[in-house]
Amino acid sequence: SAVISQKPSRDICQRGTSLTIQCQVDSQVTMMFWYRQQPGQSLTLIATANQGSEATYESGFVIDKFPISRPNLTFSTLTVSNMSPEDSSIYLCSAGVSGYEQYFGPGTRLTVT
Amino acid sequence: AQRVTQPEKLLSVFKGAPVELKCNYSYSGSPELFWYVQYSRQRLQLLLRHISRESIKGFTADLNKGETSFHLKKPFAQEEDSAMYYCALLTGANNLFFGTGTRLTVIP
Repeated sequence: SAVISQKPSRDICQRGTSLTIQCQVDSQVTMMFWYRQQPGQSLTLIATANQGSEATYESGFVIDKFPISRPNLTFSTLTVSNMSPEDSSIYLCSAGVSGYEQYFGPGTRLTVT
Repeated sequence: AQRVTQPEKLLSVFKGAPVELKCNYSYSGSPELFWYVQYSRQRLQLLLRHISRESIKGFTADLNKGETSFHLKKPFAQEEDSAMYYCALLTGANNLFFGTGTRLTVIP
């Protein structure tokens, strides 16, 4: 198994600013993912964070808005850029040796005013 | 395109009663399905996966390819089962595609 931590746990940000969320895994994992959970909605995959290369984004998500880094096998960041109130969500990091078994972080609750 | 449908957003049952959380899927490939659970103030965690054919906390789920369903069942609900339950499908790209979730409340 893997234990995932995220920072910050929550934040309130102003429109037009950017926030970087950090995800740390306690062991080396092959795969790391970023999800968004909008109020009252399910989890939606934003992208797969690839170590040493550009992230793989899902339809509807672009690198300019959600740049992702993964410098090594245990750490990744997601930046929410040029925020608007519609970006208010919970952002979740998950990790695992495969998509088959993923472990989730506690989430980052973002409110954009 | 894949789809995971959980038709009930809310489900309430009495303690000791049977519970069934419905999940239907649509996927062109060979499906691998999971149930994830999120208890109050806890993180999302894997409950069970169809390939393991296991029973976790008294819950079971059988993949029915004919009906494209993966319903989660427990014969006798307990108060500690109250949580948010998500059905999820693993795609060929190794991504999890989640349903909208069902909030289960077990009434004492």
